[in-house]
Amino acid sequence: DAGVIQSPRHEVTEMGQEVTLRCKPISGHDYLFWYRQTMMRGLELLIYFNNNVPIDDSGMPEDRFSAKMPNASFSTLKIQPSEPRDSAVYFCASSLDSFNSPLHFGNGTRLTVT
Amino acid sequence: DQQVKQNSPSLSVQEGRISILNCDYTNSMFDYFLWYKKYPAEGPTFLISISSIKDKNEDGRFTVFLNKSAKHLSLHIVPSQPGDSAVYFCAAPEGNQGGKLIFGQGTELSVKP
Repeated sequence: DAGVIQSPRHEVTEMGQEVTLRCKPISGHDYLFWYRQTMMRGLELLIYFNNNVPIDDSGMPEDRFSAKMPNASFSTLKIQPSEPRDSAVYFCASSLDSFNSPLHFGNGTRLTVT
Repeated sequence: DQQVKQNSPSLSVQEGRISILNCDYTNSMFDYFLWYKKYPAEGPTFLISISSIKDKNEDGRFTVFLNKSAKHLSLHIVPSQPGDSAVYFCAAPEGNQGGKLIFGQGTELSVKP
C-alpha cells in the first residue's frame, strides 16, 4: 500500500497564478479530505468528499479555492488566482469511513506564493 | 475560539523517562479524541484514540487518559525514545462527522539521548 500520494511536494508560484494540487487516496477509502496547515491557524479542514461527492466545503476560504474529485482515485485542489496568504502546507487525507476511522495523510504540498 | 487547545508548544524529555503531553477542550459534545504524530516534511500519522465512554486507552508505550469533567486529556509515553521526537496533535471530530477533525496547535516533543 503506497499510502496517500500528493503532488507536487513543493510549489512556488507568483501571485495571480493558478495553482493545482493533486491527490491520490488509498484504494478502497471512501472519504477524502483536504486540510491546510499554517502557523496562524494550525491544521484546518477545507473540504471533504464521500464517494467522490463533496459533502462539506465550509472550510474553503473563498471562491478562489475549488476542489474536485472526478473519480475514486484522484482529487484536485485549485487556487485561482493565488495570493501570498495562501502560502501553507496542504494535506490530503483519506479514510475508510468518516466515523472514527483514522485519517491517513499524504506528505503534503508546501505552497509558496510570492 | 479554539475548541481544542494544546498549551505547551514544546516539551523536552530525557530518553527513558516519561513524556506527558496535555490537551484541553471546550466543547462538551466531543465524545471521541485522537492523537496524531507528525515528523518534519511528512503528514500526520494516527497514534491512538479514546472514546468518551473510557477514561484510559493503552497501546504499548502509549497511553491516553481522558478526564471528562475537566475536559482534559493527556498522552503518556513510557519509556520515551529519541524516535518519539515529533510534533503531537490532539484532535476531536466535529459533530457527527468523524473525519472533520478539530486539531490542537501541536506540541513538539524532543527526546534527548
